[in-house]
Amino acid sequence: AQSVTQPDIHITVSEGASLELRCNYSYGATPYLFWYVQSPGQGLQLLLKYFSGDTLVQGIKGFEAEFKRSQSSFNLRKPSVHWSDAAEYFCAVGQLLYSGAGSYQLTFGKGTKLSVIP
Amino acid sequence: ETGVTQSPTHLIKTRGQQVTLRCSSQSGHNTVSWYQQALGQGPQFIFQYYREEENGRGNFPPRFSGLQFPNYSSELNVNALELDDSALYLCASSRRRAGASETQYFGPGTRLLVL
Repeated sequence: AQSVTQPDIHITVSEGASLELRCNYSYGATPYLFWYVQSPGQGLQLLLKYFSGDTLVQGIKGFEAEFKRSQSSFNLRKPSVHWSDAAEYFCAVGQLLYSGAGSYQLTFGKGTKLSVIP
Repeated sequence: ETGVTQSPTHLIKTRGQQVTLRCSSQSGHNTVSWYQQALGQGPQFIFQYYREEENGRGNFPPRFSGLQFPNYSSELNVNALELDDSALYLCASSRRRAGASETQYFGPGTRLLVL
């Protein structure tokens, strides 16, 4: 069965510092990979996704992630963090339900809470 | 373009009761997935509906059931509520197309508290 591990439960960074959130996955086939962000009491917003192709993926709000098959990792990075980035971040892997149209279920990690010091 | 909406936003029920949560898909989307997010956890997949049929199911008991309507909106029904059902219930919509990989877009969720 697929699984996602986010080793860091809570990370605190200073505003303007760089950020890297770690994500490791376990999945038998080529994975669909995602990063979502959740603000308190809110739903999930998609930051970026990897389906195939270029292993360095650009997302919204200045985020990027790199798929490394050999390490089963999909770490999220941002060169300079803003106070508004404080939130919880979830990495997810998509398991195909219907391969003909890329329909899948998402398996999420437990999340990494990001705090930003002004 | 209208995003995914869910109702109600909050709900309090007592153990043993039944609850219905509702989701309206984003415009142009034909697939709905439901997830349960317990406090401090990542969301867990409950099931997915496409063309009014269940397309896949996670590790949830049969008392969790769903419907999808011709306009692609959806309901999640939970019978015989248990305390552990207290969670944020998230709906995600997507557009299934042949040969394409879809993206799931989430609604704001319904917060259910079972007393």
